[in-house]
Amino acid sequence: DTEVTQTPKHLVMGMTNKKSLKCEQHMGHRAMYWYKQKAKKPPELMFVYSYEKLSINESVPSRFSPECPNSSLLNLHLHALQPEDSALYLCASSQDLTSRVFGPGTRLTVL
Amino acid sequence: KQEVTQIPAALSVPEGENLVLNCSFTDSAIYNLQWFRQDPGKGLTSLLLIQSSQREQTSGRLNASLDKSSGRSTLYIAASQPGDSATYLCAVRAFDTDKLIFGTGTRLQVFP
Repeated sequence: DTEVTQTPKHLVMGMTNKKSLKCEQHMGHRAMYWYKQKAKKPPELMFVYSYEKLSINESVPSRFSPECPNSSLLNLHLHALQPEDSALYLCASSQDLTSRVFGPGTRLTVL
Repeated sequence: KQEVTQIPAALSVPEGENLVLNCSFTDSAIYNLQWFRQDPGKGLTSLLLIQSSQREQTSGRLNASLDKSSGRSTLYIAASQPGDSATYLCAVRAFDTDKLIFGTGTRLQVFP
């Protein structure tokens, strides 16, 4: 298995909803990442988990809450989002010197 | 602070042409540089990874070169095809961080 999977593919939520994005990899990678990407812009790093511990938080608002239950799984919990949070959310993983592997993304729309 | 730019921002060419996409970075102390392809609304697909000690990498019709001293990388696409149409992103990683700094991207369209 050489891929990163993300669910759901699309998500529409209201500003008062609570939802979660899920990311999985079975390549034994020790680092997992969340990125946010707006249209026609490069991805922006949000969080990095290394060996299941949060190692980087790029000053992301607390309405985004990451969780790494085990070495293969990464969640992003969403609560009280704003319309400007609508974007493509990408998960990625890597193992030290190797290239970063990205998932297909979740297209999030906040109404 | 590392800044990565890509030129041109957009490119439209007929099928069969050989292409060069450029990536420039301001800090030459990089660990590696990675080229990605992104189709609209999709995730990123890794094309080539060049370690700082390497000069180039090749995969099929793609060849990426790295010149750290001048802060430049180029992605060469031979005999372009309509299926190559996508946005191409370069990203650099520094030695002391797990972050990738992405370039601004080049949107490529290859028409039949």
